[in-house]
Amino acid sequence: EPEVTQTPSHQVTQMGQEVILRCVPISNHLYFYWYRQILGQKVEFLVSFYNNEISEKSEIFDDQFSVERPDGSNFTLKIRSTKLEDSAMYFCASRGAGEAFFGQGTRLTVV
Amino acid sequence: RKEVEQDPGPFNVPEGATVAFNCTYSNSASQSFFWYRQDCRKEPKLLMSVYSSGNEDGRFTAQLNRASQYISLLIRDSKLSDSATYLCVVNINDMRFGAGTRLTVKP
Repeated sequence: EPEVTQTPSHQVTQMGQEVILRCVPISNHLYFYWYRQILGQKVEFLVSFYNNEISEKSEIFDDQFSVERPDGSNFTLKIRSTKLEDSAMYFCASRGAGEAFFGQGTRLTVV
Repeated sequence: RKEVEQDPGPFNVPEGATVAFNCTYSNSASQSFFWYRQDCRKEPKLLMSVYSSGNEDGRFTAQLNRASQYISLLIRDSKLSDSATYLCVVNINDMRFGAGTRLTVKP
């Protein structure tokens, strides 16, 4: 069964460092998303991506965040200068015409 | 008003009980609706889509009321394995999540 894959599964980084979270969406999907979930809290929308551009972004997705689809398969989330409060689980999702499928997440720990 | 609001829970029920979760959404242009299940420290996984006519999948029944902007999920004969957080998800152009309702089914 096709699945969304995310790497790494866990990343520890120092405050102020840049991180890139990677995702390989399901191959024939057209809509791509990043969400985050701080431990014990709700799943929060960050950004959606369609037709090689951002279609929607939340207030959380400020200038320190960026997304790219550098080739036909990868979808990346870059956090330019990490803060302690960026520590969370980051989920990538992709969607065709129906429901979204989620990757297993990257746990980001900023120390 | 939040985009998607759910019963805060938690719900603690005995095995075999029937439990119902409610969800309201604010944007009348919302196009599709889903219930996802999330186990602790795992990714959300689709439980079922919600159709206008209502739909059932085994012990699970989902209802949609577009006029009231309301979605429900009914779980009958609950099992220990149903213990999880249930997320109401509404799609406009993006998938927007409710905060989730935690269910614990006890022996």
